[in-house]
Amino acid sequence: NAGVTQTPKFQVLKTGQSMTLQCAQDMNHEYMSWYRQDPGMGLRLIHYSVGAGITDQGEVPNGYNVSRSTTEDFPLRLLSAAPSQTSVYFCASSYGQAVHYGYTFGSGTRLTVV
Amino acid sequence: DQQVKQNSPSLSVQEGRISILNCDYTNSMFDYFLWYKKYPAEGPTFLISISSIKDKNEDGRFTVFLNKSAKHLSLHIVPSQPGDSAVYFCAASEVDSGAGSYQLTFGKGTKLSVIP
Repeated sequence: NAGVTQTPKFQVLKTGQSMTLQCAQDMNHEYMSWYRQDPGMGLRLIHYSVGAGITDQGEVPNGYNVSRSTTEDFPLRLLSAAPSQTSVYFCASSYGQAVHYGYTFGSGTRLTVV
Repeated sequence: DQQVKQNSPSLSVQEGRISILNCDYTNSMFDYFLWYKKYPAEGPTFLISISSIKDKNEDGRFTVFLNKSAKHLSLHIVPSQPGDSAVYFCAASEVDSGAGSYQLTFGKGTKLSVIP
């Protein structure tokens, strides 16, 4: 099994450009989420989904959109990239409540906005 | 305001000795806690967890202790090995709060270096 796959691994964007970070899981996990990791800030939740067709905002949702049309995929869209969105982005999934199953994380996408 | 705090950004320990990583939390609704380990250029991996009905959970060399009255937990690694060198994140969740049960609140992490 591939687990949680994130693409691309690295990306450089110019300010104002848009792009989509891809996340796919093959474990039939119902819960998926996006986190960003910044130096000295730990991991902060951007958006999450508890199932296909259901999404909600996390702690730092501004500037990002998500959708969940299938169980497997949970793309994260940057509408108009800003230097403040330079970060490492992690997608995570879980079979059920995190408290019982924990999360499986992807290996991350390192995004630089210039 | 940070709800999960790891006040030590880094920790160095000799191989074979005990590593103790600390975590404090402020949200009294948290009642499940997890530790994740992260190597450079990789995603975090689940290490060990504990619920508030317990004060200790053990898995091999890793033990997590929870002091609910002090809102404090710690991760003990005995004996420490060079392969344990990584960033360790403490995370917390609310068990019975609907969608909140799916979310984890993370601390900033502690970088552990185990010196051979």
